[in-house]
Amino acid sequence: EAGVAQSPRYKIIEKRQSVAFWCNPISGHATLYWYQQILGQGPKLLIQFQNNGVVDDSQLPKDRFSAERLKGVDSTLKIQPAKLEDSAVYLCASSLARWGEAFFGQGTRLTVV
Amino acid sequence: GQQLNQSPQSMFIQEGEDVSMNCTSSSIFNTWLWYKQDPGEGPVLLIALYKAGELTSNGRLTAQFGITRKDSFLNISASIPSDVGIYFCAGPGDNYGQNFVFGPGTRLSVLP
Repeated sequence: EAGVAQSPRYKIIEKRQSVAFWCNPISGHATLYWYQQILGQGPKLLIQFQNNGVVDDSQLPKDRFSAERLKGVDSTLKIQPAKLEDSAVYLCASSLARWGEAFFGQGTRLTVV
Repeated sequence: GQQLNQSPQSMFIQEGEDVSMNCTSSSIFNTWLWYKQDPGEGPVLLIALYKAGELTSNGRLTAQFGITRKDSFLNISASIPSDVGIYFCAGPGDNYGQNFVFGPGTRLSVLP
């Protein structure tokens, strides 16, 4: 079974630029999560989708971050404009159901300079 | 929102020793998940717990769902060098399976 795929693996941008990350979850997984992990900390949930609907985006900085999951499969996370404090690893995860075990991709390491 | 605490924050042990770490919450959790993260990788699921009092093993790893439903424990027996990494507890913070939160992690170092 293929795992969660994310791209790109690494991205370096200047502050105020825009960036987008892509995630392809495990086939059949209805729930998809985006996490931000700052160095030395645990992952912090940004947004949770159930199929193509948002069930939790309470910690998403909506003035600059946006995410969509069209057709309930792939998802993209966008940051516009980026700030220095957005430097982190962005992890995508998926699970069969909301209470299920979440499986993670390798993440995208973003550096904002 | 919900927050999880993990202890210890870090630990150094000798190869072959047993390890214990725990995770606590101020509110009740219905599911506890334990993950391990290696440098440059995403977290990998080790053990999932769904019932208060449940004790589940995965090889040398054993985890328990606390009776109060506000804590969970992870034990590693006979540690080996590849056990090095950061161990996170996690779970859905409400009854709707939302607000999936992670603890701050326990960093484990194994000395040869």
